[in-house]
Amino acid sequence: EPEVTQTPSHQVTQMGQEVILRCVPISNHLYFYWYRQILGQKVEFLVSFYNNEISEKSEIFDDQFSVERPDGSNFTLKIRSTKLEDSAMYFCASSESGWYTGELFFGEGSRLTVL
Amino acid sequence: GIQVEQSPPDLILQEGANSTLRCNFSDSVNNLQWFHQNPWGQLINLFYIPSGTKQNGRLSATTVATERYSLLYISSSQTTDSGVYFCAVEEGYSSASKIIFGSGTRLSIRP
Repeated sequence: EPEVTQTPSHQVTQMGQEVILRCVPISNHLYFYWYRQILGQKVEFLVSFYNNEISEKSEIFDDQFSVERPDGSNFTLKIRSTKLEDSAMYFCASSESGWYTGELFFGEGSRLTVL
Repeated sequence: GIQVEQSPPDLILQEGANSTLRCNFSDSVNNLQWFHQNPWGQLINLFYIPSGTKQNGRLSATTVATERYSLLYISSSQTTDSGVYFCAVEEGYSSASKIIFGSGTRLSIRP
């Protein structure tokens, strides 16, 4: 069964360092998303991406964050200068259809720990 | 923005019991999904159910979009059902609209 894959599964970094989280969406999907979940809290929307541009972003997704689809398969989330409060599980998701979203499929997450 | 409320926030049951989890939303929605977050943090798709009723084994779900709620039923609970159950609804009408998660119901099944 096709699945969304994410790397790394866990990353530990020092405050102020740049981090890139990688995702390989399901191959025929066109709509991509990043979500995050701070430990013990609910899953929060960060950004949606379609046709090589950001479709929507939340207030969390400030100038420290960026997304990119550098080739035909990868979808990345970059945090330019990490803060302690960026420690969270980051989930990538993809969907086949965009209008009215369609069913989202999530990866297993990348746990980011900022020290 | 749309509000998604789930109840109860916590539920502790003995193995074999049945349970009903509720999701209320504040505005009309086009899509609704139920997820199970297992103890390892993975989000598992349970149902994509913008309306109507679906069943998958011991789990079933019903969404009444006109009344702005959805219910998840778990029958004959097993310890592996433990975890957090999230309801998520779509907000917005752009091409790549986001889904918004509720706060979840934490389910603990005791042997």
